[in-house]
Amino acid sequence: DIQMTQFPSSLSASVGDRVTITCRASQSISTNLNWYQHKPGKAPKFLIYAASNLRGGVPSRFSGSGSGTDFTLTISTLQPEDFATYYCQQSYSTLIFTFGPGTKIDIK
Amino acid sequence: QVQLQESGPGLVKPSETLSLTCTVSGGSISNFYWSWIRQPPGKGLEWIGYVSYSGTSYNPSLESRVTMSLGMSQNQFSLRLSSVTAADTAVYYCARDLGTPYYGSGEFDPWGQGTLVTVSS
Repeated sequence: DIQMTQFPSSLSASVGDRVTITCRASQSISTNLNWYQHKPGKAPKFLIYAASNLRGGVPSRFSGSGSGTDFTLTISTLQPEDFATYYCQQSYSTLIFTFGPGTKIDIK
Repeated sequence: QVQLQESGPGLVKPSETLSLTCTVSGGSISNFYWSWIRQPPGKGLEWIGYVSYSGTSYNPSLESRVTMSLGMSQNQFSLRLSSVTAADTAVYYCARDLGTPYYGSGEFDPWGQGTLVTVSS
C-alpha cells in the first residue's frame, strides 16, 4: 500500500494567517493527490484534485502544489470557516486509495 | 445537486454482519462508482471499496468480509461487512467517485454526513 503522511498533525492559527500543510507519499504518485476538508459532524468536502486543481466552488484562497512524493495545501488568508481537519489522499493506486492522517487547524 | 445519506443500525454485535444503505438524491447512480469509507474513533480515514454497474473493487485488507451492491429499484447502494469486531467500530461514510462508469478515479465528491456504527455486545 502507498502510505501517506501529513505534517503538522495539528496547528493553531489566527484569522488572516497564511497556512501550509505538507503531505508526503511513500512512493511517487505523480500528481494523483487530492485534498479534503472535514468539520465535525459534517460531510467531508472535496477541495483539490490532481494536486493543484480547485474543485468548483472552492475559494481561491486554497491552493495545492507538488508532484511525485511531496505535496502542499496552502490557505493564503485563513477565514473563520476554514478551521477544520484537512486530509490528503492518493488516487494513484486504484487497488487501494489511502488517506493521510489529517491536519487539524484550530484557533490560536 | 447530488446528496447522499447513510442509514442502518447504530449497534451491531460482535461476529454479526454490519449492513448499511446509502440513499442518493438529486442524481442517478447509473453513471458512477460509489464508495464506502470509514473512520474509527480517533483514527484516520480508510477506503473500504466501491461499486458500480460495471463491478466492484474492495480494500484488500477487508475484501474477505465485504460485499457492496447497488439497489435494483431505488437510488441506493449498500455495504455488508461480516464477522465484525470492535475494530470495525467507526463512522461510515458513503461517497460518489468522480470516475467513469467503467473505473473509479479515487476522487470522492460528494460525501454523506456519516453514520456511527458501534460493535458491542
